[in-house]
Amino acid sequence: DTAVSQTPKYLVTQMGNDKSIKCEQNLGHDTMYWYKQDSKKFLKIMFSYNNKELIINETVPNRFSPKSPDKAHLNLHINSLELGDSAVYFCASSQGAHGGRNQPQHFGDGTRLSIL
Amino acid sequence: AQSVSQHNHHVILSEAASLELGCNYSYGGTVNLFWYVQYPGQHLQLLLKYFSGDPLVKGIKGFEAEFIKSKFSFNLRKPSVQWSDTAEYFCAVNGGGSARQLTFGSGTQLTVLP
Repeated sequence: DTAVSQTPKYLVTQMGNDKSIKCEQNLGHDTMYWYKQDSKKFLKIMFSYNNKELIINETVPNRFSPKSPDKAHLNLHINSLELGDSAVYFCASSQGAHGGRNQPQHFGDGTRLSIL
Repeated sequence: AQSVSQHNHHVILSEAASLELGCNYSYGGTVNLFWYVQYPGQHLQLLLKYFSGDPLVKGIKGFEAEFIKSKFSFNLRKPSVQWSDTAEYFCAVNGGGSARQLTFGSGTQLTVLP
């Protein structure tokens, strides 16, 4: 069973469209994340939710809106897609800190978003 | 703010060669350190982690890393690489406690020639 699953795996769409990427984890973790990996493989945190509450919100255009219906799901909705949004988006999850130790994050397979 | 530097952008080795990938971080407090590997077309997988204790940590697939606090470094090593180790390697750091945010280095592409 896939621990962190993202859908779709590939997403090709035109500029200006609105699209969503879904993420689900079955690890019982309390924290979920969205990362963006650009064409140079650089990974950057976008959002983090802990128990459905937003705890990290990096400088991301407000066209990007995360939604967490429950702690096992963190979806990413993107409005008015732009060429610069082309990237691979990774979802991840982890269990909260215990004794100061932030547990490793488990990553999904990524969603490759291509804007035409 | 925390940051991570990986100075080697692309490393090319022959099979059986020894590997060391550099990672330096900047953060004033207690850190948790990680190395992740990303095989072509796949997601990131954890290779190893350091929280505290023995600064030499062993991970999967024969990898190890040494935490040198005085140098703010967490270099990844493997005594003998294989063709299957060809991948992108990412060093990552976060502060302990409630700061769950992972900051990644820019990655090092390792190519192992058969």
